[in-house]
Amino acid sequence: GQNIDQPTEMTATEGAIVQINCTYQTSGFNGLFWYQQHAGEAPTFLSYNVLDGLEEKGRFSSFLSRSKGYSYLLLKELQMKDSASYLCAVLNSGGYQKVTFGTGTKLQVIP
Amino acid sequence: KAGVTQTPRYLIKTRGQQVTLSCSPISGHRSVSWYQQTPGQGLQFLFEYFSETQRNKGNFPGRFSGRQFSNSRSEMNVSTLELGDSALYLCASRAGTGGGQPQHFGDGTRLSIL
Repeated sequence: GQNIDQPTEMTATEGAIVQINCTYQTSGFNGLFWYQQHAGEAPTFLSYNVLDGLEEKGRFSSFLSRSKGYSYLLLKELQMKDSASYLCAVLNSGGYQKVTFGTGTKLQVIP
Repeated sequence: KAGVTQTPRYLIKTRGQQVTLSCSPISGHRSVSWYQQTPGQGLQFLFEYFSETQRNKGNFPGRFSGRQFSNSRSEMNVSTLELGDSALYLCASRAGTGGGQPQHFGDGTRLSIL
């Protein structure tokens, strides 16, 4: 089976830093994705982690610990346009690797 | 390069009817996945097709079916529609099913059941 947990909602202030956590339990793991989804729009790819550690991409960074079944997305210098849902998704191992999404974290950035 | 295209964007049906949704993946992408998105449940995986064969399947009843054509375009069919089928249906394509190749999503079809 598979279980992916994220906080449902978060609020942060413009210019600040926010960390969105994701924990997972899976029988076979081959990486973790983060996606951003603005209201009424399609999810868009942010990052992929398969090895332990931090991957930095501009204002966004993603961290993975495979032994702990834990990942986080770090958003720095928050902007109003960062208000969106952030989806954590696990890629299963196996021949045709399935992607399973968490329910997402809705982030509201306030002035 | 054109993105993932889903048609129609909006659809209104009544209970008991059936519906077919269409998805054209990014050129060169051979994998197409379908998801149902509702406010309470998030993105629920329906199925994935690769080279015209269903490779993965989620936990949805048999009323939900799909297929993929030789040009990688995919259709999803829902029969005997129920009120609970009201949702945003998203299609996503990726180049292959191995490694960390991300999925690219279409804008979705919003299905409303009356």
